[in-house]
Amino acid sequence: AQTVTQSQPEMSVQEAETVTLSCTYDTSESDYYLFWYKQPPSRQMILVIRQEAYKQQNATENRFSVNFQKAAKSFSLKISDSQLGDAAMYFCAYRSADSGGSNYKLTFGKGTLLTVNP
Amino acid sequence: ETGVTQSPTHLIKTRGQQVTLRCSSQSGHNTVSWYQQALGQGPQFIFQYYREEENGRGNFPPRFSGLQFPNYSSELNVNALELDDSALYLCASSLASPSPLHFGNGTRLTVT
Repeated sequence: AQTVTQSQPEMSVQEAETVTLSCTYDTSESDYYLFWYKQPPSRQMILVIRQEAYKQQNATENRFSVNFQKAAKSFSLKISDSQLGDAAMYFCAYRSADSGGSNYKLTFGKGTLLTVNP
Repeated sequence: ETGVTQSPTHLIKTRGQQVTLRCSSQSGHNTVSWYQQALGQGPQFIFQYYREEENGRGNFPPRFSGLQFPNYSSELNVNALELDDSALYLCASSLASPSPLHFGNGTRLTVT
């Protein structure tokens, strides 16, 4: 079974600064997807960024980028130029790429609460 | 396009009772999945439905059951409620893989 570990229960950053959230995972599969989701107080899970394991290039979405190290099974999220609206719970998630069973199961970590200080 | 909507927003039930939670998928999405998020934890996969059939299930007992309707809306039913069932229940819909999941705002269930 796959597991996802987020070792930082809480992180804080000053507005306009950069912060990196850590995530490690364990799997025996070679093809999979990794995600970062943001959950603000509104409770809705919002997709921040996605990485396909077969792609060596790190994904980037505006101020959000990842450092994907497949051999180390590490998937960290970097938020540049942090904004007050970035404050939320951030979850790292894993999904198998096995499309035979249309497997959409996400395995989540326990989350990291990000505080942005003005 | 409308997103994923869940009802009710909050619900309080007594131990031993039964509850039904509802989810309307995002327009055009034929796959729906349900997650349970206990306080301070990440969401845990309950099950998923594709074209009205369950095609994946997490480590949850049979008293957690579901339905998906022809319009792709869905229900989560929980029988014989236990105190540990208190959690945020999230519904998510998607198109065929590898499209990402789109989540609703969840239903907060409290069992007393």
